[in-house]
Amino acid sequence: EDQVTQSPEALRLQEGESSSLNCSYTVSGLRGLFWYRQDPGKGPEFLFTLYSAGEEKEKERLKATLTKKESFLHITAPKPEDSATYLCAVQEAGSARQLTFGSGTQLTVLP
Amino acid sequence: DTAVSQTPKYLVTQMGNDKSIKCEQNLGHDTMYWYKQDSKKFLKIMFSYNNKELIINETVPNRFSPKSPDKAHLNLHINSLELGDSAVYFCASSQVLSNEQFFGPGTRLTVL
Repeated sequence: EDQVTQSPEALRLQEGESSSLNCSYTVSGLRGLFWYRQDPGKGPEFLFTLYSAGEEKEKERLKATLTKKESFLHITAPKPEDSATYLCAVQEAGSARQLTFGSGTQLTVLP
Repeated sequence: DTAVSQTPKYLVTQMGNDKSIKCEQNLGHDTMYWYKQDSKKFLKIMFSYNNKELIINETVPNRFSPKSPDKAHLNLHINSLELGDSAVYFCASSQVLSNEQFFGPGTRLTVL
């Protein structure tokens, strides 16, 4: 069975203090790994898709990387508006395209 | 210009009632999904429809029945609501050639 584990569960950073969120996964074959951002009371907002080990994608202060067992979401010099829950999800090769989500990392960036 | 919309936003009802949640997408996508997010924030797939055809039906009680009148709509009907059905339900959509799923704002269901 697919498993997606995110750590830490919660992370508090000072504004400007860079850090990384981790997503480890177990699938028989990976079609894609997805990062989403979820603000309170809202639906997940798509950030990145990674398809193969070694791939990296960047968007503003966020950079996502992928290995064969895990993905990292690096946050460089975060701002308070980056506070949100970050969700990782995997899509298994051969599946009907459903996403298997981790439980998320709740990030709080203090001014 | 909302991409994926759901109604209602909030739904409070008594145990045993029947209720429906509606979802519409204007992205031209051909696949739509229903996810359930529990109190621990886990998002779990329930159903998926591709071109009005059911392609995913996870282990969900048969009190839950999805209905897709056309490619742009996927509704969720729930019979005989139970306390454990309380959660946030999200609709999502994607294009068959793209793996990216776009989510609606969610419907918070509270069963009393």
